[in-house]
Amino acid sequence: GEDVEQSLFLSVREGDSSVINCTYTDSSSTYLYWYKQEPGAGLQLLTYIFSNMDMKQDQRLTVLLNKKDKHLSLRIADTQTGDSAIYFCAVSGYSTLTFGKGTMLLVSP
Amino acid sequence: EAGVVQSPRYKIIEKKQPVAFWCNPISGHNTLYWYLQNLGQGPELLIRYENEEAVDDSQLPKDRFSAERLKGVDSTLKIQPAELGDSAVYLCASSRGSPDETQYFGPGTRLLVL
Repeated sequence: GEDVEQSLFLSVREGDSSVINCTYTDSSSTYLYWYKQEPGAGLQLLTYIFSNMDMKQDQRLTVLLNKKDKHLSLRIADTQTGDSAIYFCAVSGYSTLTFGKGTMLLVSP
Repeated sequence: EAGVVQSPRYKIIEKKQPVAFWCNPISGHNTLYWYLQNLGQGPELLIRYENEEAVDDSQLPKDRFSAERLKGVDSTLKIQPAELGDSAVYLCASSRGSPDETQYFGPGTRLLVL
């Protein structure tokens, strides 16, 4: 089955850019998603990219997709303390999503 | 537009007791999902409904877990009897259905089995 890997932890200072990386194994995935989970909350959809795209920008968020290397990244510009959360990469296939274990982003003032 | 609604938000029970979780999806969303999220892990699919039909329940432990989606709207997930290892967050999500399968999640039910 699909395997999705993420680094577990990232620490940045407020105002810096954050880059969260994800690798996956199934090249037939059609959509790739980024979700944000704050403590005690469900998953909030941040953005997604279709597999025929290389890049998608949405305000402070930039998603880059390298299909050859099966690598997905999420860049958050001007990171704020309110961005501190766990970020999940999710890859679609056969109407299901496979999630990574999540990357905990800690933003310090 | 209201999001996915789940209740209860928290539940504490003793092992061997039954427990049920309820989910109301976003209006107009035909596909409903139940996920299990263990501590420090990503969500894992338990069951997927398209309207009232369970189209993927391969990961649902059927000896103790059951689910239903009567009338193709609200859904209930039940565990009977609960075990200590069932302590986790149970997430419900919904999507419009093919071709738009973007999933929107509810806040989850946090279950603690003592």
